[in-house]
Amino acid sequence: AQSVTQLGSHVSVSEGALVLLRCNYSSSVPPYLFWYVQYPNQGLQLLLKYTSAATLVKGINGFEAEFKKSETSFHLTKPSAHMSDAAEYFCAVSETSGTYKYIFGTGTRLKVLA
Amino acid sequence: EAGVVQSPRYKIIEKKQPVAFWCNPISGHNTLYWYRQNLGQGPELLIRYENEEAVDDSQLPKDRFSAERLKGVDSTLKIQPAELGDSAVYLCASSLGLAGFDEQFFGPGTRLTVL
Repeated sequence: AQSVTQLGSHVSVSEGALVLLRCNYSSSVPPYLFWYVQYPNQGLQLLLKYTSAATLVKGINGFEAEFKKSETSFHLTKPSAHMSDAAEYFCAVSETSGTYKYIFGTGTRLKVLA
Repeated sequence: EAGVVQSPRYKIIEKKQPVAFWCNPISGHNTLYWYRQNLGQGPELLIRYENEEAVDDSQLPKDRFSAERLKGVDSTLKIQPAELGDSAVYLCASSLGLAGFDEQFFGPGTRLTVL
C-alpha cells in the first residue's frame, strides 16, 4: 500500500531564507507525486506535480521539488522565503494505474519570521 | 472561470442531527471527490464520482454517510445521524479526468462542528 510521510509538522524560517519541506513516499512502483498548499480557510491549491518526466519539477510561486527514486523522496524547496508563503503544505502520492487514489501526508505548517 | 463552490461554509449541529453539504464542481469536470480533513491531518478520501457513478466509496461510513451526484454535475454529501467524531472540514474537489496525474481543484470546504 502506498503511504506518504512528511517530516516536521511545523517549520519556521526567516524571511529570505531557504525553505525545505520534506516528503518521503512508500510505493511498489514510482508513483505520481504532488505538493499542495492550503491557506487559512481555503481549499488546497496545486503547487507542482511529478508525473515521471523531469525529476526536477518547477511549480508556482518559485517552488520546486526533486524526485529522488533512490531516497523515495520528493522534498519541496524555495530559495528565498516570503511572508506570503506562510501556509500549510501537503505532499500527496497517487497510483499510476488502478484506482489512482490520492494519499495525502499529514501536512507541514510553514511559518515565516520577519 | 469559477472554482469549486461549496455550501454552507460553516455548520454547527447537535449530535444525532442530520446535516448535508453541497458541492458544485468546475464546469466540465467529470470527476468529483469528497474528502474529510480532521484537525492537523491531511484530507482523506470519502468518495469519488466519475460522472454519476461512485467509482470509489470504500472509505465512506455507509451506516451514516450517503452521497449523490444525480446528473453528473453537483453533489450532496449527507450525514445522518451526526456523531461528535464527525467534526471536521469536508472538502469537495473536482478534476477534468480520472487519471492519477490530473490536478484536483478544491473548494474552500465546510467546517462542521458537532456538539
